[in-house]
Amino acid sequence: AQSVTQLGSHVSVSEGALVLLRCNYSSSVPPYLFWYVQYPNQGLQLLLKYTSAATLVKGINGFEAEFKKSETSFHLTKPSAHMSDAAEYFCAVSVVGEKLTFGTGTRLTIIP
Amino acid sequence: EPEVTQTPSHQVTQMGQEVILRCVPISNHLYFYWYRQILGQKVEFLVSFYNNEISEKSEIFDDQFSVERPDGSNFTLKIRSTKLEDSAMYFCASSGVTSGYNEQFFGPGTRLTVL
Repeated sequence: AQSVTQLGSHVSVSEGALVLLRCNYSSSVPPYLFWYVQYPNQGLQLLLKYTSAATLVKGINGFEAEFKKSETSFHLTKPSAHMSDAAEYFCAVSVVGEKLTFGTGTRLTIIP
Repeated sequence: EPEVTQTPSHQVTQMGQEVILRCVPISNHLYFYWYRQILGQKVEFLVSFYNNEISEKSEIFDDQFSVERPDGSNFTLKIRSTKLEDSAMYFCASSGVTSGYNEQFFGPGTRLTVL
């Protein structure tokens, strides 16, 4: 079985500052890992995914994440926060062809 | 670009009534999923469907829920007798060979409100 833990249900950063959203996973088999973003009253948009290729994954809107097997982590980062980044972010894990297991989410607030 | 569509976008129903949520997955995708998100909470898996049968279901997916692929394009979730706690956003997703089956494409969701 797979599981995901997102540390910090709320994160606030200043505009222009580094964004770091934490995700740790547990999986008995090599996992696929994903970050999704959800804007208010909207659906889920895929930011990026790790599928056993490069460990540093670049996604949309300047986000990237690094898969670290030794730390069982897949933290999401962005060098410089923008007001439009304010949203809920979900980390998720799966194995091929099976369900996604989501974390509890992190609400990102950008301070002007 | 192909996308998953869901109808209706918002459904309001009375407790005890039956509702059917509809999804049109991406053409040629073979795996189909339903998830739900209660307001302010995380996204939870309900059921996966492959080769015209349920491949996995969660403990949430009890006897009041059912899924069907009535034709070659639609994928439906039926809730037989809705409860207040069924109020949530319901997301449909699909995956296929073009993404190596490891990426699920989500629809915009149906917001179900049970009164």
